[in-house]
Amino acid sequence: AQSVTQLGSHVSVSEGALVLLRCNYSSSVPPYLFWYVQYPNQGLQLLLKYTSAATLVKGINGFEAEFKKSETSFHLTKPSAHMSDAAEYFCAVLSGGSYIPTFGRGTSLIVHP
Amino acid sequence: EAQVTQNPRYLITVTGKKLTVTCSQNMNHEYMSWYRQDPGLGLRQIYYSMNVEVTDKGDVPEGYKVSRKEKRNFPLILESPSPNQTSLYFCASSRDPDYGYTFGSGTRLTVV
Repeated sequence: AQSVTQLGSHVSVSEGALVLLRCNYSSSVPPYLFWYVQYPNQGLQLLLKYTSAATLVKGINGFEAEFKKSETSFHLTKPSAHMSDAAEYFCAVLSGGSYIPTFGRGTSLIVHP
Repeated sequence: EAQVTQNPRYLITVTGKKLTVTCSQNMNHEYMSWYRQDPGLGLRQIYYSMNVEVTDKGDVPEGYKVSRKEKRNFPLILESPSPNQTSLYFCASSRDPDYGYTFGSGTRLTVV
C-alpha cells in the first residue's frame, strides 16, 4: 500500500523567502516520488521526480526536493519565492508495482509581495 | 504539440442526464487514468487503463464508466449524474508511470 501526507494545506511566504513544502510517504517498497504543480485553472504539471538515481532532485523553476529514506520524506524547496510560484502543489508516490500514483491532498502556496 | 485534450472544459447538467467527458492523447501512451479533484481531498483515482481494452477501478469508481477501445481515447461516462459528482475532473496519460504522467487541462462539471 502507498500513501502520501502533505503537512499544511496552506503555506504563506513573502517574495524572496525560502519555500518549504512538506511531504511524507508510506510505502512497503522503494518508491518513485513526484511533485506536481497546478496553476489556477490549469492541469497538473510535473515539477520533478525521484526515481532512485540521486537523492537530491532538481526540477523546473528553481525547485528541488531531497529524498530521505530514514525520514520517509520528500520535501520540496526553493531558495527564493517568486510571485509566479503561487499555485497548488501535489506530492505523489508510486510503488509496489502499481502504475497509478497516489496523490497527497495538496498544499496551496501563497506568496506575499 | 504533445498533449492530453479533454472536452468540454466546463459543463453544467441536470441530475440523471447521461454525459460523456472525452479524453484524447497524441503521444501514443499506453497508460491513461481519470481523477477527480475536490477541495481538501486532493486527487482521487476513478478509473485507469494500462492498454486497449484493459481498465481497472480506482478508489472512487461508483457512478462512472470508462472504455478504452483505442489507445488514444479514454472517455469518462456518467450514466446518471448526481450532485455529488460535481467536481473537477482530470485525465492523464503516460508512457512509463515511473517517470510521471501528463495531465489534461481539466473539466469542471456541475450537476444540479
